Amino acid sequence: EAGVTQFPSHSVIEKGQTVTLRCDPISGHDNLYWYRRVMGKEIKFLLHFVKESKQDESGMPNNRFLAERTGGTYSTLKVQPAELEDSGVYFCASSQDGFGALITDTQYFGPGTRLTVL
Amino acid sequence: AQTVTQSQPEMSVQEAETVTLSCTYDTSENNYYLFWYKQPPSRQMILVIRQEAYKQQNATENRFSVNFQKAAKSFSLKISDSQLGDTAMYFCAFKITYFGNEKLTFGTGTRLTIIP
Repeated sequence: EAGVTQFPSHSVIEKGQTVTLRCDPISGHDNLYWYRRVMGKEIKFLLHFVKESKQDESGMPNNRFLAERTGGTYSTLKVQPAELEDSGVYFCASSQDGFGALITDTQYFGPGTRLTVL
Repeated sequence: AQTVTQSQPEMSVQEAETVTLSCTYDTSENNYYLFWYKQPPSRQMILVIRQEAYKQQNATENRFSVNFQKAAKSFSLKISDSQLGDTAMYFCAFKITYFGNEKLTFGTGTRLTIIP
C-alpha cells in the first residue's frame, strides 16, 4: 500500500512568487491534513479536509494560503504571493475515519515539502 | 488552548542504552490522546506509540514505552536497548477527544542520536 506522497520535495522561490504544493493521501482515506513546521519550532496544524470539504481551517495563517481538495482525492496548497516567513516544511497527513468520539485513527504523514522563500 | 512542551532539544546515548524523552502538556480537557512520532533523517514521520488518557495502563510497543502521569500532565517516552535506527527527531503530540476536531498539537521535538 502506497503511503502519503508529497510533491515537490523541495521548492525554492523568490518572495512574491506563487508556489503550489501537492499531497496524495493514502487511498481510501477521507481525512487529509496540512501542517507546517518553521525551522526549530513546533509542527503547526493548518487545516483538515473531510473528503472535499474543509472541516477545520483554523490554522491557516492568512488569505495568501489557499487549499483545495478536488473530488476528495489529492489536495493542493497554494501560497500566493509567498513571503519570507512562509519558509518551512509543509507536511500532509491522512487518516481513515476521524469522527469516532472515543476512537481516533492514526494520522499517516508524508515526507514533507521543504519550502524556501528568498 | 492546548500546548505541548519538549524541553530537550537534543539528546544522545550509546547504542544499547536506555533513554527517556520528556514531554509535558497543558490542557483543561479530560479526554484526549497523546502520541509520540519519530522522523528519521530524510524519511517520513511515523507513529511510535499512542496513549488514551482514560487508560491508566501505560502503553508499550516492543522497546518503546511511555510513562503517562495524567495529574502531572506528563508523557515521557522510554526507549530500551536503543538501536542505531532509533536516531531521529521525536515529536510529542496531543489531540482532544472532540467530535470533528482531529488536529494534532505538537511539541518542538527532540533530536535523538544513537552513538555506535
